[in-house]
Order: sequence, then structure tokens, then C-alpha cells
Amino acid sequence: DTEVTQTPKHLVMGMTNKKSLKCEQHMGHRAMYWYKQKAKKPPELMFVYSYEKLSINESVPSRFSPECPNSSLLNLHLHALQPEDSALYLCASSQGDGNTGELFFGEGSRLTVL
Amino acid sequence: AQKVTQAQTEISVVEKEDVTLDCVYETRDTTYYLFWYKQPPSGELVFLIRRNSFDEQNEISGRYSWNFQKSTSSFNFTITASQVVDSAVYFCALSEGLIYNFNKFYFGSGTKLNVKP
Repeated sequence: DTEVTQTPKHLVMGMTNKKSLKCEQHMGHRAMYWYKQKAKKPPELMFVYSYEKLSINESVPSRFSPECPNSSLLNLHLHALQPEDSALYLCASSQGDGNTGELFFGEGSRLTVL
Repeated sequence: AQKVTQAQTEISVVEKEDVTLDCVYETRDTTYYLFWYKQPPSGELVFLIRRNSFDEQNEISGRYSWNFQKSTSSFNFTITASQVVDSAVYFCALSEGLIYNFNKFYFGSGTKLNVKP
């Protein structure tokens, strides 16, 4: 079982809706990531939080708003999305304490925007 | 320029065949890390291996083996006696050292492996 938990697993929303994706890890990791993955493509980095501070925003549109309430939780708030935003959204974490270790991924949240 | 290239888009083999997935990377850093991940249809990326740039030893783990060659900037992955459960998309990734306590990964485009019974 994955140690990074993402909810919901599936989400369908209209273009005017507001929804959130949630991610949780209890491995004591201090870096957390959001990736977007379209079908048959590699994951694309969206955001990185390091020690609860936003460290990287890969020029993501403002309709995606990340939040890191504490070191175990990562949210992605969604508002006024477009159909082309439909994708698998993957959360990941890494130790982030000077150890260049692997990323641990969750199973993802599959988002469909109608 | 693409930092990680996986030229094989899709490979199909019959169970028990050996298969090698190719990965070529590009970096100017002397310290870097290479990874392989497996992504089954469920979606989660499963970590398989990490290699740092100072360790060119090949590694074997059960039916899996990895061949790291700095001279050709390659980090290839071989599955011996493939099984249907090996069917997945495999990603090679590069991290150019630690940046302020997090890793920025560059993923290859992935190779889809189909293992038929």
C-alpha cells in the first residue's frame, strides 16, 4: 500500500465548480509535490513545497491554488477549470532534509472537467 | 533539450522473454541521480531504483537489473524472464542534485511494456 494517500480517487466537476484535492503522508517527509499527468505522457511538475513553503510554481495558471497546512498535508484547490485540465493529478513526497532520495507517489486523483 | 530520452515508446514481449528498456540522459552536473519508476494501470508511480553519478556498479534485484554507463550517458533496465505482472509504463528520471531540500525530477517520456501470456 502506498504511504502517500490522495483523495478523492476520481473527481468530476463543471467549469464553474470549486473543489479540492487532498494529499497526506506520515513518513515525516518535508518536501511535497503536485504533478499533472495527461494520458500517455510523463508527469509534469506543478508545485513543490519544502518545509511548508512554496518553493517552485512551474507557471501554473491561478485556477490551481496549492496549500500546505502542515508538513503532512498538501491540498490543491481547483476553481474555474477548463476541460483541458482533465488529467491524473499525482502527489509525491520526499525526505527533503538533505537526502536526495526518491519521490514517493500517491495513486493519484483522476480529474474530469466537463 | 530533452534531459532524459526513452526512445522506445512501446514494447511487446511474450512471457518469459528478457526485455531491456533504454534510457539516455543529458546533464552537465557532476553530481546527479538516476531513477526508474513503474506505473501500472492503477496510476501510482512505484519506485524501483536510484543510482548516483559516483556509483557505476550495476545492480541486480531478483529479475530486475540495471546497467549504468557514464561513458554513454545511459541507464538501461533489463527484466529477465518477464511476467504478465510486469506490464506497465516505465519511466526513467534524472535529478540534478539537491536544490534547497527538494528534488527536481526530469522524467523521460516513458516506455509502455506489454507482456503477453
